Amino acid sequence: GQQVQQSPASLVLQEGENAELQCNFSSTATQLQWFYQSPGGSLVSLLSNPSGTKHTGRLTSTTVTKERRSSLHISSSQTTDSGTYLCAIDHNTNTGKLTFGDGTVLTVKP
Amino acid sequence: GPKVLQIPSHQIIDMGQMVTLNCDPVSNHLYFYWYKQILGQQMEFLVNFYNGKVMEKSKLFKDQFSVERPDGSYFTLKIQPTALEDSAVYFCASSRGGENTQYFGPGTRLLVL
Repeated sequence: GQQVQQSPASLVLQEGENAELQCNFSSTATQLQWFYQSPGGSLVSLLSNPSGTKHTGRLTSTTVTKERRSSLHISSSQTTDSGTYLCAIDHNTNTGKLTFGDGTVLTVKP
Repeated sequence: GPKVLQIPSHQIIDMGQMVTLNCDPVSNHLYFYWYKQILGQQMEFLVNFYNGKVMEKSKLFKDQFSVERPDGSYFTLKIQPTALEDSAVYFCASSRGGENTQYFGPGTRLLVL
């Protein structure tokens, strides 16, 4: 079936360091979203980026559609960035059926 | 950003009972979704809904599950009867179109005893 693989599974940083998270997917994506899931479980949409590069605040996402991969760069990490980052794909359905990866658990230490 | 609300935030019920989870989607959105996340596991798609109809459902969307949005009110997920394996966090989401950004609610934590 459709697969979304995220790496690394976990990442520990010192505050101020940058993070690079990866998402690879098995088939063409018509929609790709990066989410942040807090330790309490709530989900926040960070970026929608099915192709190209997008920025918001300290976040930059680059998606290379032909290579079926996307990255999320977090610059100058803060302790409040700690949580799980999820990549989700709509595999060419345009009906909004998102397939999620297992996530990257980010821990930022003070 | 746009807010999706979910009521209740927590629900504890006995196995075999019926439960209705309520979602108040973003006001101008036309597509609605339910996802399920068992504690510590992956988020999984259950169903999507547009123009009063289910468009697609996953194998997790059992016969005991149903969704509706009567007259533009809450978008609901009903489970009747509930089973122990239905214990999970259920997230509602909405979007303007099927290809647009989905905005998620805070989830309803359902515990079936």
